[in-house]
Amino acid sequence: GQQLNQSPQSMFIQEGEDVSMNCTSSSIFNTWLWYKQDPGEGPVLLIALYKAGELTSNGRLTAQFGITRKDSFLNISASIPSDVGIYFCAGQRTLYTGANSKLTFGKGITLSVRP
Amino acid sequence: DAGVTQSPTHLIKTRGQQVTLRCSPKSGHDTVSWYQQALGQGPQFIFQYYEEEERQRGNFPDRFSGHQFPNYSSELNVNALLLGDSALYLCASSAQGAGGYTFGSGTRLTVV
Repeated sequence: GQQLNQSPQSMFIQEGEDVSMNCTSSSIFNTWLWYKQDPGEGPVLLIALYKAGELTSNGRLTAQFGITRKDSFLNISASIPSDVGIYFCAGQRTLYTGANSKLTFGKGITLSVRP
Repeated sequence: DAGVTQSPTHLIKTRGQQVTLRCSPKSGHDTVSWYQQALGQGPQFIFQYYEEEERQRGNFPDRFSGHQFPNYSSELNVNALLLGDSALYLCASSAQGAGGYTFGSGTRLTVV
C-alpha cells in the first residue's frame, strides 16, 4: 500500500539541539498528523494540522501543513532524552460522507538523543 | 478514562491456523479501525467498522475479516495464517465525524 516518504530512517542528535523532520507525498491530503511511538506501545498523536499553510505548536513541538497539501514538517526544539522514539507522519483525506477516512503513514524516523 | 484496550498483548500461532484479536474502543468512540505494522514499517490500514458494518477496506486479502459488536468493540480475524502475517496489529478508535484517532498498544502476532 501507499506510504508517505520520510527520511532519513534514523537521526542522532545531542540533548538540547533542535531537530526537523519532513514528510512528503505524491498526492494531496486534507489533514496531516504527527505521531510518536515508543517501544511496545501504539502511536500517540502529537500534532494535527487541518489547513494548508497552518503552523501549529504543542510545547516544544511545531508542525506545518505544506501549501501544496503534499507535505508537512515537524520541528522539535531543545531536545530532551524522553524525545527518543519513532516519529510517524500520517495523511488523511475527508470522505464525501464526512466519515473519518483511513490514515496513510510514513515509515517513520527513529530519533536518538545523546545526553 | 480507559483508552483503547487490545487483547491479547502477545500471541504465537502456527502457519495455517486462525487467530482472533479483540479491541475495546475508548469511551465515547463508535468507530474502530485496524492497522497492521510490520517491523520497521509504518502502520498499514486493514479496515474500519462503524455501525457494525465494514465501511472502508485497505489492500488486504479476504483472509482478514472483522466484526463490530453493538457495544462498539471489535474483533479482527485472520484465517490461514502465513509467516508474513507476523506483525503488530493496532486498533484505533474515533468518534464518527470528529477528527482524531486513539491507538491501542497493539497485539504482537508471531506466526511460526
